[in-house]
Amino acid sequence: DIQMTQSPSSLSTSVGDRVTITCRASQGIRNDLGWYQQKPGKAPKRLIYAASSLQSGVPSRFSGSGSGTEFTLTISSLQPEDFATYFCLQYNSYPFTFGPGTKVDI
Amino acid sequence: EVQLVESGGGLVQSGGSLTLSCATSGFTFSSYWMHWVRQAPGKGLVWVTRIDGDGSGTVYADSVKGRFTISRDIATNTVYLQMNSLRADDTAVYYCARGYLDYWGQGTLVTVSS
Repeated sequence: DIQMTQSPSSLSTSVGDRVTITCRASQGIRNDLGWYQQKPGKAPKRLIYAASSLQSGVPSRFSGSGSGTEFTLTISSLQPEDFATYFCLQYNSYPFTFGPGTKVDI
Repeated sequence: EVQLVESGGGLVQSGGSLTLSCATSGFTFSSYWMHWVRQAPGKGLVWVTRIDGDGSGTVYADSVKGRFTISRDIATNTVYLQMNSLRADDTAVYYCARGYLDYWGQGTLVTVSS
């Protein structure tokens, strides 16, 4: 199975800050990676697919980059509604696997 | 508008069975894989299983293989998850999701009591 790690596991930030979250895969996954936002009691919402493509309707302050084994999610200017946990997902091979999550506190 | 609505969760005793449903609308159901993903209370997301668009192929996580069965009904645009031999560690919110997990339902809680 492909193992996904994320860093940091949590971070405390301020409105307007630039936030970067890193996801690493235990083996190469090309660009078969998505980023998700999850708020308490809610279903995950996809932000990014194919490592760097912005999901329709998602604000442009979210961006993704990377390929192979290292990926980043960047929030260019954090907004109050961005308080959430962020997960990465690899869909290169089964079983699909998620990162353990990064909790962003405002 | 794409919609996925799960139902069927509840409290079940260890060793028991439960069937979850995911009713879908707003897209061509037979064109998409469908998945189940679960999340234990306070924990991360775990992929469980996938079924092909026409129902001809399935893949399972090792942790549920032989106990869970995914199926779909193209006539009603519904995906099912039959869960047998349930264990306490199956307790989780179960989500259905479409395709490459672009759209998700709101989830349904399954609690297995020991």
